[in-house]
Amino acid sequence: GNSVTQMEGPVTLSEEAFLTINCTYTATGYPSLFWYVQYPGEGLQLLLKATKADDKGSNKGFEATYRKETTSFHLEKGSVQVSDSAVYFCALSDGALNTGGFKTIFGAGTRLFVKA
Amino acid sequence: GAVVSQHPSWVICKSGTSVKIECRSLDFQATTMFWYRQFPKQSLMLMATSNEGSKATYEQGVEKDKFLINHASLTLSTLTVTSAHPEDSSFYICSSKGPPGAGANVLTFGAGSRLTVL
Repeated sequence: GNSVTQMEGPVTLSEEAFLTINCTYTATGYPSLFWYVQYPGEGLQLLLKATKADDKGSNKGFEATYRKETTSFHLEKGSVQVSDSAVYFCALSDGALNTGGFKTIFGAGTRLFVKA
Repeated sequence: GAVVSQHPSWVICKSGTSVKIECRSLDFQATTMFWYRQFPKQSLMLMATSNEGSKATYEQGVEKDKFLINHASLTLSTLTVTSAHPEDSSFYICSSKGPPGAGANVLTFGAGSRLTVL
């Protein structure tokens, strides 16, 4: 079955450091890939997405490239801020809603702490 | 932006009682909602898919008689944990596909409900 594996946390960085959170997936077919972020006390929210191979999703300085050859979707940011402290979830979704096959599978989440 | 409101955000109940959690899409119609359970330091586990006006589809291993899901309108889905026991203590999260225009298979999440069963 489909699965998502992401690096364990917590990850602790100083402000302005470079961030990479690794994510690999196993899937049949051609899933869409997502990063969701959960800030303290809030629900998950979409950070970025990519729907096909070689697509790059980007938002708020974060980016991730859909790599089919390595089945990866690593999250990167060149210079993190204290406000980026949150839990980041890699996810994949396969199927189409109108066929009833819509499911989203999440990785375990990676907690990021950014120190001032 | 699109909002999914979930409440209560936390609830404590006695063993054997039932608890209802509500999930509302505030500014868009949600024909399909998803209910997840999150264990400490673990991923979200999909429990069931709730479709408006029809029975929910439960994932393998999820007891449909314990976790009753109702989706009676386009803006409201409810999860009722019946005869709750301490092992049902967890963080329950609802989500909806959408809103329209957000892109294929994008989810909008509620803030979650923490259930503690004594």
